[in-house]
Amino acid sequence: GNSVTQMEGPVTLSEEAFLTINCTYTATGYPSLFWYVQYPGEGLQLLLKATKADDKGSNKGFEATYRKETTSFHLEKGSVQVSDSAVYFCALKGSARQLTFGSGTQLTVLP
Amino acid sequence: GAGVSQSPRYKVAKRGQDVALRCDPISGHVSLFWYQQALGQGPEFLTYFQNEAQLDKSGLPSDRFFAERPEGSVSTLKIQRTQQEDSAVYLCASSLGAGTRIRTDTQYFGPGTRLTVL
Repeated sequence: GNSVTQMEGPVTLSEEAFLTINCTYTATGYPSLFWYVQYPGEGLQLLLKATKADDKGSNKGFEATYRKETTSFHLEKGSVQVSDSAVYFCALKGSARQLTFGSGTQLTVLP
Repeated sequence: GAGVSQSPRYKVAKRGQDVALRCDPISGHVSLFWYQQALGQGPEFLTYFQNEAQLDKSGLPSDRFFAERPEGSVSTLKIQRTQQEDSAVYLCASSLGAGTRIRTDTQYFGPGTRLTVL
């Protein structure tokens, strides 16, 4: 079946540091890949997505590239801000209709 | 425009009580999903509706869990005889399409209902 493995947290960075959160997946066929973010006290929000190999999703300075050869979809941001503190979830959608999520990575950015 | 809304936001139940959780999807969205999110974990799929038809209920953990969407809009997740292991956040999501678009469509999530069973 489908599965998503995410870098374990928590991750603590200083403001303006570079961020990488690793995500690898197992799926049959050609899944779509997603990053969702959950800010404190709020619901899950889509951050970015990529629907085919080599696609790059980007939003709010975050980027992730769909790498089929390494089955990865790592999230990166060049300079994090305090406001980026949240829980980040990698997810995939394959032939099934539902999303399969990783366990989440808690990011804390210190001023 | 209005997003997905859920009510109540918080629910405390005594073990053995029945609970009903409501989801109002984005207007016009065909697909509706329920997920369960345990503390410190990612959401896990419970069930899926396309309009009023429940096409997949493979994630429901027991026959105490029941979901419906009778008019293809609002959905209710009901849990009978609640147990402590049912304590979690229950998330509802909706997406516009169905069929071949389902793989790429974005799912929009509600804020969730936090259920605590004492």
